[in-house]
Order: sequence, then C-alpha cells, then structure tokens
Amino acid sequence: DTAVSQTPKYLVTQMGNDKSIKCEQNLGHDTMYWYKQDSKKFLKIMFSYNNKELIINETVPNRFSPKSPDKAHLNLHINSLELGDSAVYFCASSSRQGVPDTQYFGPGTRLTVL
Amino acid sequence: LAKTTQPISMDSYEGQEVNITCSHNNIATNDYITWYQQFPSQGPRFIIQGYKTKVTNEVASLFIPADRKSSTLSLPRVSLSDTAVYYCLVGRILTGGGNKLTFGTGTQLKVEL
Repeated sequence: DTAVSQTPKYLVTQMGNDKSIKCEQNLGHDTMYWYKQDSKKFLKIMFSYNNKELIINETVPNRFSPKSPDKAHLNLHINSLELGDSAVYFCASSSRQGVPDTQYFGPGTRLTVL
Repeated sequence: LAKTTQPISMDSYEGQEVNITCSHNNIATNDYITWYQQFPSQGPRFIIQGYKTKVTNEVASLFIPADRKSSTLSLPRVSLSDTAVYYCLVGRILTGGGNKLTFGTGTQLKVEL
C-alpha cells in the first residue's frame, strides 16, 4: 500500500504548455504539502494545505495553482510552463497538529520542460 | 526559519559510526530540529527529531547542546545501504495546522566496504 502517491512519475512537455500533477495520501492526514527540488538537490516548500485550506504559500509564481478537492488529495496545476520549472516535485503529508511532526513524502514527479 | 549549514559530503566505511554536524545559529525558541534521509529517485524519509539534549531511536541518535545552535546526527555502524543524502532541518509548528520545514543543502554520505 502506497502511503503518498503521485502521478505522473515523469512528465516531459514543451514550454508554454499547462500541466497538472496529482497527489493522494491514504494515511488519513490533515495536512499536505508541495515541495520543489532543483538540480542541485535543494528542496524548497511551495504550498501547504490543512483540511483543504491554504496555510503556506511561499514566493511561488502565480502560474502555480494548488487545488485540494478533499483532505486526501492535493493537486498542482502549472500554467505556461517555463524552462526553469524543470525540477522534481514532491508531495508530502503530516497528521499531528500543534506538535513537531513527521512528514511523509511521495516518490516525486520529475518535470522536464523543453 | 533558521538556515542550516552542514558538510556537503562525507565518506565512511561499513561498520563505522558516522557523525554529521549541522549548525543552525538563528534557531528560534519554539523551533525543533529534525533530520531526513533521501535516496536517489525517492522522497525524503524521516530519521529523527528533537528539541534539546539527546534523542535516540532504532536507527540514529541526535545530540543537541544546551544553546541549540548546532546538532549532531549519529549513525551507529553504517552499512552500504546508508549511502544517501542526509538533511538537517529546522521545523516550526504552524498555528494554521501542520509544520513548516526548511531544508538545507544536505550531506551526501558515501559508505564503502
């Protein structure tokens, strides 16, 4: 059973296209996150949702729009893709509120923009 | 959140103890320290976390001095399968729910026979 899953695993597309990455967790967690890992392996948080409400919105271009249809899903839609968007995108989830918690990461989606 | 600084890489041999030290000079009072491990083509995986003093679990120990400006991850008797990138992070509990983690550059640990 996969705890946090992402689709697709690989995504190759042309500049200017619009694409979506889907994330689902079956852990019953309330909070979900999106991270971007660049070519230098630097991992940076982009968004966080708690019970379908946006909690963290880092300095991310508004071409990136997260959507949480329910607590188990957090999708990432990217408009007008640019070369610099090429990276690995990780989804994560966590459960506990108000205390230090463990984040469970998905396997990642490698996005390549040509 | 406080930035973390850790060595870019470390080499070790099977069976040795590995200590990776991380500095986080600007850590805030309510922030905590946590370490994650990442294998190639996989998402990061939680190893251990703590607030102060020493924490030990089945895979590692975490030492945090009183001033909390640094921390040391200790991996006892490493094996080849411990070859991975290890991230030291400062975490903050969010009032809106969840936790915010700030990842640093990580330490690439290479274990050889």
